[in-house]
Amino acid sequence: AQTVTQSQPEMSVQEAETVTLSCTYDTSESDYYLFWYKQPPSRQMILVIRQEAYKQQNATENRFSVNFQKAAKSFSLKISDSQLGDAAMYFCAYRSEGAQKLVFGQGTRLTINP
Amino acid sequence: DGGITQSPKYLFRKEGQNVTLSCEQNLNHDAMYWYRQDPGQGLRLIYYSQIVNDFQKGDIAEGYSVSREKKESFPLTVTSAQKNPTAFYLCASIGTRADISYNEQFFGPGTRLTVL
Repeated sequence: AQTVTQSQPEMSVQEAETVTLSCTYDTSESDYYLFWYKQPPSRQMILVIRQEAYKQQNATENRFSVNFQKAAKSFSLKISDSQLGDAAMYFCAYRSEGAQKLVFGQGTRLTINP
Repeated sequence: DGGITQSPKYLFRKEGQNVTLSCEQNLNHDAMYWYRQDPGQGLRLIYYSQIVNDFQKGDIAEGYSVSREKKESFPLTVTSAQKNPTAFYLCASIGTRADISYNEQFFGPGTRLTVL
């Protein structure tokens, strides 16, 4: 079974600085998708960014980018120019190609210090 | 606006009672999911349904039941057999392969269930 591990339960960063959240996963499959979700205090899950495993280019969405290392099974999220609104729980998630289920990591709570 | 609605937002249950959490979507999505979230933990899959009148158990289905009589609706019943039901429950859906949003799982706002 696939597993997703987020080794940082909590992270903090100064406003306007850059922070990187770590995620590793375990799978024997070659085709899959990886996601980062944000859960602010409202608890609404919001998709931040996604990466298709067959794409070598790292995905980017404005201030959010990933470092996808397929061989190392690593999928970290970099947030540049951190803003107070970025404070939230961040979840890394995995889904196999053709599968309908997401496997989530335990989450990382990100605090932004003004 | 298309999306997923869950009701109620907060729900209180006495021990020994069954309660049903509502989940409705107007995204025309085939697949729907129920997750449970406990404090400081990730989401765990309870049940999912890929098509009307069909559903499968997830990782923690014991003490829960679901139905899928309509494409738009996927209610979750928390039965008295669920030993520790106090948690935050999230409903989600995903589009078909022809949908540009196929890879994205959309989530509802959640229901907080507390057992008194």
